[in-house]
Amino acid sequence: DQQVKQNSPSLSVQEGRISILNCDYTNSMFDYFLWYKKYPAEGPTFLISISSIKDKNEDGRFTVFLNKSAKHLSLHIVPSQPGDSAVYFCAASASGTYKYIFGTGTRLKVLA
Amino acid sequence: KAGVTQTPRYLIKTRGQQVTLSCSPISGHRSVSWYQQTPGQGLQFLFEYFSETQRNKGNFPGRFSGRQFSNSRSEMNVSTLELGDSALYLCASSPRTGGVGYTFGSGTRLTVV
Repeated sequence: DQQVKQNSPSLSVQEGRISILNCDYTNSMFDYFLWYKKYPAEGPTFLISISSIKDKNEDGRFTVFLNKSAKHLSLHIVPSQPGDSAVYFCAASASGTYKYIFGTGTRLKVLA
Repeated sequence: KAGVTQTPRYLIKTRGQQVTLSCSPISGHRSVSWYQQTPGQGLQFLFEYFSETQRNKGNFPGRFSGRQFSNSRSEMNVSTLELGDSALYLCASSPRTGGVGYTFGSGTRLTVV
C-alpha cells in the first residue's frame, strides 16, 4: 500500500521554463511534507518542506504547494536549470512518528 | 560540521551470507534511520533508532536488524542474504526535535550475487 505516490516517473523540461513535480498521499494523518533531491551516487539532500498549517512555502526558485483537501502537493521550480536534473522524492510524516514515507521519485531532466 | 558517514560504500556478497553496514550520524544527532532504495520502489523505511532504542520499524522481514550505540553510531545487519536484497542502503540522521527532516549519508551499495 503506497501511501505516498509520485505518478510521473520522469519529466523533461526546457531550461528557463517551470518544472512541476507532483505528489499524492492517502493518509490524512500526514501533517509534514518534504522534498528531497538526489543525484546519482549521492544520498538525498533536503530541498524544502511544508507543514499542514500552510498551503505554500517558498525558498528561492523552489515553491511547494499543499492542497490538503485533495491530499496533493507539488513542487515548482522556476526557472529550471540544467543543474536541477536529478531524482526528486516527496516524503510525508505524521506528528510524533519521526518516520517518513517516501514516494518512488520523479526523474527530472532539464534540457539546455 | 561533518556529514553522515556510511561505510562501506560498496559491498558484494553471495546469497546466504550476512552483512553489517555502519552509519555515523552528524555530531549531536541522536536519531538514525535506515532506508532501502531499489529501482521503482523509492525509499523504503527499515527502522529508526533513538538513544539506542528502536522507535519505529518498517515492513521488512526479521533478517533485517539494527542497533545503535551510546555514541549514536548505528549498524544495520542483514542475515541470510537474498538476491532481492541488492539495493542502496541509506542512513539518515536527525536531531529528532520535530519538524525537521533528515540528513542522509551517501549510502552503501550492496550487491548480492
